[in-house]
Amino acid sequence: EDKVVQSPLSLVVHEGDTVTLNCSYEVTNFRSLLWYKQEKKAPTFLFMLTSSGIEKKSGRLSSILDKKELFSILNITATQTGDSAIYLCAGDSGGSNYKLTFGKGTLLTVNP
Amino acid sequence: GAVVSQHPSWVICKSGTSVKIECRSLDFQATTMFWYRQFPKQSLMLMATSNEGSKATYEQGVEKDKFLINHASLTLSTLTVTSAHPEDSSFYICSARAGDRGYEQYFGPGTRLTVT
Repeated sequence: EDKVVQSPLSLVVHEGDTVTLNCSYEVTNFRSLLWYKQEKKAPTFLFMLTSSGIEKKSGRLSSILDKKELFSILNITATQTGDSAIYLCAGDSGGSNYKLTFGKGTLLTVNP
Repeated sequence: GAVVSQHPSWVICKSGTSVKIECRSLDFQATTMFWYRQFPKQSLMLMATSNEGSKATYEQGVEKDKFLINHASLTLSTLTVTSAHPEDSSFYICSARAGDRGYEQYFGPGTRLTVT
């Protein structure tokens, strides 16, 4: 059975701090690792990682994948209160249906 | 582009009744649609995958006779929760994949179901 584990499950920081969120995965026929941000509604897409060692960056957010260790991290620098959300990571398995297996998420709270 | 809508956004129903939730891809044709359930402080759990014109594939532990999924067109999938019980109260989210846009999934805004 495919499995995605995120840590920590929750994190409280102050504005301006840098955070690192972790995601390990065991996914059959792994194709990619995706990161989403979920506020009150459905997840919004952040990154899709398919290759090891290549950092993807979007503003203050960056992410990298290690396919040997089956691991990914999401970094957020200079956090802001608007970064408060649940961050979900998902493993994408191959096959005709492109199924995603989600981790439990990391609840990030950024205090002013 | 790649907008997915859900209707209703929230619904309250009585125990024993059935509820239908619609998921539409507004500006693309969704060859595959996915239905997820999310309990409070839990992650998204995939319930089923449906391809247009064929029967849905349900995940282990999901009752297909209770959660009826229809994907009758390339822009619409419906999830019907039959004989709803309070334990079915949850946040239901659909996502859609367009065959011609790679394999990224686009998520709908979700439907909050409360069964009283």
